[in-house]
Amino acid sequence: DGGITQSPKYLFRKEGQNVTLSCEQNLNHDAMYWYRQDPGQGLRLIYYSQIVNDFQKGDIAEGYSVSREKKESFPLTVTSAQKNPTAFYLCASSVGRDGQFFGPGTRLTVL
Amino acid sequence: QKEVEQDPGPLSVPEGAIVSLNCTYSNSAFQYFMWYRQYSRKGPELLMYTYSSGNKEDGRFTAQVDKSSKYISLFIRDSQPSDSATYLCAMTPSGTYKYIFGTGTRLKVLA
Repeated sequence: DGGITQSPKYLFRKEGQNVTLSCEQNLNHDAMYWYRQDPGQGLRLIYYSQIVNDFQKGDIAEGYSVSREKKESFPLTVTSAQKNPTAFYLCASSVGRDGQFFGPGTRLTVL
Repeated sequence: QKEVEQDPGPLSVPEGAIVSLNCTYSNSAFQYFMWYRQYSRKGPELLMYTYSSGNKEDGRFTAQVDKSSKYISLFIRDSQPSDSATYLCAMTPSGTYKYIFGTGTRLKVLA
C-alpha cells in the first residue's frame, strides 16, 4: 500500500525537551511538507522540501528544524525554543501541483 | 486580510440536501485549486483538484472555479451523514510548491 506514515500518533513533551516527529512516504513524491493545525486556524506551513538535501522555511518555522537526507523521509524536530508547541502536526507529500497527500497526524502535548 | 477566506461554519443541513461550500481569495496568481475533507483527529483527504477556471465533477462532488471573481466552490449533492466533516480549500500559484489553505468549514449532515 502506498501512503504516508507518521509516528508517533500521540507525543508528550516536557518543558525544555526537544522531540522529533517522524514522517515517511512510499509514494515516490519529490516534495514534502510539515504543517501545524490549531483549532480555528487551519493549516500553517512550518517547513517544506522540494528535493533531497534542500528545504525552505514556511510561515512559522521558528522553534522547529527539519532534515531531508532521503527522498522518503522528512523528520521534524520541535525544539525547546518553540514556546507553544501543543498542536496537531501533519506531514504531506506531493508530485507537481496536483494536490497534497497527508499522513494521519501526530498530536503533541506539552506537560 | 488573509490570502484565502473561508466561512468556518458550522453549516448544518438535512440528509439529502445540496451543500455549497465556498472560498474567496485575493492573489490573482493562484492557478491550482483543491478541496480536502478532514474528519475529526485525522489527516485531510484530497477530494477534488482543478486547474484554472471551470467545473469538475466526481460522483456527488462538483468543484467550480471563477477566477474573475476570485471565488471557488464545492457542491455536494444528496448529502449523507458520512459527509459530516471539515472541508478545507487550498490553492497554489504556478512556479511554487507552496499551498495556501483556508481555515475550513465544518459541515454537519443531519439524519
